[in-house]
Amino acid sequence: DAGVIQSPRHEVTEMGQEVTLRCKPISGHNSLFWYRQTMMRGLELLIYFNNNVPIDDSGMPEDRFSAKMPNASFSTLKIQPSEPRDSAVYFCASSDPGLAGAGSLSYNEQFFGPGTRLTVL
Amino acid sequence: GENVEQHPSTLSVQEGDSAVIKCTYSDSASNYFPWYKQELGKRPQLIIDIRSNVGEKKDQRIAVTLNKTAKHFSLHITETQPEDSAVYFCAASFNTNAGKSTFGDGTTLTVKP
Repeated sequence: DAGVIQSPRHEVTEMGQEVTLRCKPISGHNSLFWYRQTMMRGLELLIYFNNNVPIDDSGMPEDRFSAKMPNASFSTLKIQPSEPRDSAVYFCASSDPGLAGAGSLSYNEQFFGPGTRLTVL
Repeated sequence: GENVEQHPSTLSVQEGDSAVIKCTYSDSASNYFPWYKQELGKRPQLIIDIRSNVGEKKDQRIAVTLNKTAKHFSLHITETQPEDSAVYFCAASFNTNAGKSTFGDGTTLTVKP
């Protein structure tokens, strides 16, 4: 398995432009997470999906951010319009929570992609 | 919701010494506690985890302990080496929340040769 795939790896754009980050989770994983990492705020959870459905988007900073998961193998995080303060490394991660509620501890390890380094000028 | 606090935020040790990072969590329902290591410019990767049905787990030079009553868990690295220098994150999760983990703020460990 190639692991979690993210594209692009680096993105430099100008303020006001639309930015789209892409993620392909590990095949068979049914939970997907988008994180933002900066020196000031650390690792922040923006949104996560389970079985392609958004479960919690309370970490999305504002309406300029949106995320979709049209199918089990693809997700996007879009910023429109972008601002310099959006500059960060954005990670996508996936996991296989297993049989939730089955009475056994599920396996919640998250597998991170390589990240997208976004610079907004 | 779950809240995870991690201490210290930075830790500097001499090569060969031990390093200990501590985390506390708030939700007594949490039952899975992973630790991730993030090297400079790389992605976080799981290095060890512990489930709530055990109190300690070891893997070579690293070990984790869990105290469910006090709701805290710790990472212990013995005989530290320069390649242990990284940011370490603790996390807590519950097995019916779709795999979501709540992360601590991270500890930057520097091992001086």
